[in-house]
Amino acid sequence: ELKVEQNPLFLSMQEGKNYTIYCNYSTTSDRLYWYRQDPGKSLESLFVLLSNGAVKQEGRLMASLDTKARLSTLHITAAVHDLSATYFCAVDMYSGGGADGLTFGKGTHLIIQP
Amino acid sequence: AAGVIQSPRHLIKEKRETATLKCYPIPRHDTVYWYQQGPGQDPQFLISFYEKMQSDKGSIPDRFSAQQFSDYHSELNMSSLELGDSALYFCASSSGGPRFPSYEQYFGPGTRLTVT
Repeated sequence: ELKVEQNPLFLSMQEGKNYTIYCNYSTTSDRLYWYRQDPGKSLESLFVLLSNGAVKQEGRLMASLDTKARLSTLHITAAVHDLSATYFCAVDMYSGGGADGLTFGKGTHLIIQP
Repeated sequence: AAGVIQSPRHLIKEKRETATLKCYPIPRHDTVYWYQQGPGQDPQFLISFYEKMQSDKGSIPDRFSAQQFSDYHSELNMSSLELGDSALYFCASSSGGPRFPSYEQYFGPGTRLTVT
């Protein structure tokens, strides 16, 4: 059974600080996804990481993937209040069918205080 | 840009009733996925379809069934509803199929189902 573990699950930080969210998964997969969710809203795709060593950046967020360590990180630089949300990482179960469901981590509830 | 459309957005049903949720994927997307997200939980994959055929199956209860139609929209049918079925139900779509998948799943706004 594929397991995806995120840590921390809760994070309160101040504006301007840097922090990293970690995502470990239990199976060999080279596809890792990061989503953002605001309360009661849909899931917004942030990054799709498709190979070992992949690094993607968008604004104050940067995601990386190490498939050998089965680890992805989401780094937040100089946090601002607007980044407060729940962040999920997800891994595809990869049955080879191309329409594979995602297994999500429990999510990191991020609160950024002024 | 057009997004995934789900209807209804909110639905209230009583125990043992049935419910049907609809999903209209992004134009030219041929793959649809259904997820269930309970309060404070992570989304759980239920089922997916590619070109109207079931492609992958997750933790979908036997009381639930789904299909994808010729216009690529999909419906999730839920029978004998239980209190524990109260959740946000998301549909996501992608394009490309098994041979040339695009991998990225775009999520709809969700249907909030409340069972009383």
